[in-house]
Amino acid sequence: GAVVSQHPSWVICKSGTSVKIECRSLDFQATTMFWYRQFPKQSLMLMATSNEGSKATYEQGVEKDKFLINHASLTLSTLTVTSAHPEDSSFYICSARLAVRTDTQYFGPGTRLTVL
Amino acid sequence: RKEVEQDPGPFNVPEGATVAFNCTYSNSASQSFFWYRQDCRKEPKLLMSVYSSGNEDGRFTAQLNRASQYISLLIRDSKLSDSATYLCVVVTSGTYKYIFGTGTRLKVLA
Repeated sequence: GAVVSQHPSWVICKSGTSVKIECRSLDFQATTMFWYRQFPKQSLMLMATSNEGSKATYEQGVEKDKFLINHASLTLSTLTVTSAHPEDSSFYICSARLAVRTDTQYFGPGTRLTVL
Repeated sequence: RKEVEQDPGPFNVPEGATVAFNCTYSNSASQSFFWYRQDCRKEPKLLMSVYSSGNEDGRFTAQLNRASQYISLLIRDSKLSDSATYLCVVVTSGTYKYIFGTGTRLKVLA
């Protein structure tokens, strides 16, 4: 149980285009999903916390107008990187919290974004 | 000072060796602690939660020292398949947000 999927697994796009990444909890309902970014040889950095039916909470330094997050249902959250630039190239990983009173998060397989 | 600190390594150990990693955290209000394992270009996978009394899962033992604000992971009888980056995760009370350490790279050599 507790499977989280992400789509696409990798994407290459031109500078200035927008890219949408989907995160789905396959066998459970996730009231909270998280979006992380990981640059090479660095650890995961939390970008935002996404709660179903409400606006996402962004971490300091993360532009909410550039990284649009939508959490329309209990099993789906999307991250849209708008007007992507080469410096946005990274490994984007989502996670989902299994239940209300637990800290454990389960991670999706990640999406590798390369902006040319 | 970083919120969660780990020695990045790499730790190169022979098969069968015992290896230990430490992770220190700065926020005394931290409530939950985990060890995750991340293989190259993959997502982190939960290795084990860390409880105050310490816990063991096969060859892996995790300890928490709240007074000194560190957690540890001990791997006994290392296998080649243990080669990975081990990420320490700390959760601050009331937030549910994960704070990751930079990770410690382990390479088990044949």
